[in-house]
Amino acid sequence: GESVGLHLPTLSVQEGDNSIINCAYSNSASDYFIWYKQESGKGPQFIIDIRSNMDKRQGQRVTVLLNKTVKHLSLQIAATQPGDSAVYFCAEGRPNLYGKLTFGQGTILTVHP
Amino acid sequence: GAGVSQSPSNKVTEKGKDVELRCDPISGHTALYWYRQSLGQGLEFLIYFQGNSAPDKSGLPSDRFSAERTGGSVSTLTIQRTQQEDSAVYLCASSLDRGREMNTEAFFGQGTRLTVV
Repeated sequence: GESVGLHLPTLSVQEGDNSIINCAYSNSASDYFIWYKQESGKGPQFIIDIRSNMDKRQGQRVTVLLNKTVKHLSLQIAATQPGDSAVYFCAEGRPNLYGKLTFGQGTILTVHP
Repeated sequence: GAGVSQSPSNKVTEKGKDVELRCDPISGHTALYWYRQSLGQGLEFLIYFQGNSAPDKSGLPSDRFSAERTGGSVSTLTIQRTQQEDSAVYLCASSLDRGREMNTEAFFGQGTRLTVV
């Protein structure tokens, strides 16, 4: 069945290091991918998205990489800060069904000062 | 409003009771979604409203769950005869449009934490 999963459920890094959070997806029809950040007690917050016609997209301190060949998505956070500590979710969308996103289980990122 | 507002923020109810959860989307947003998040889990799609189109209810887990959206704005999610497995955080989100268009950011509310005892 369709699924979006994460390779690493937890990730601990030192402040200033770069972080990489990975995600695998199985639905080849998905053509839109999003990363969300969720802090404790809050709703998910949009970080960055990417369409399937791209393999890389950069934002402020974040980069999303998409490898359609192996159905893999990653989020890179540069110079990770304690405020980046949160749960990170990837989500996938399909044509005409972008309201029905499929979310992964999440990766807990902990940044140590 | 400034963001998506959900109420109540916390709800404790007895097994078998009905509950209503409310979502006020961002003004002007035509798309509204409900998701459920169990402890330590990702988000599970429940239902999606887009404008005047028939809602996509394919994620509702049972017929005890229903949702409506009045006047294209406020939405209520109703759970009848609540069960302990219904305990979760129920999240609402809205966006300008999401049916056929991607790249339309969805803004989430803080959620309603439902505990069925």
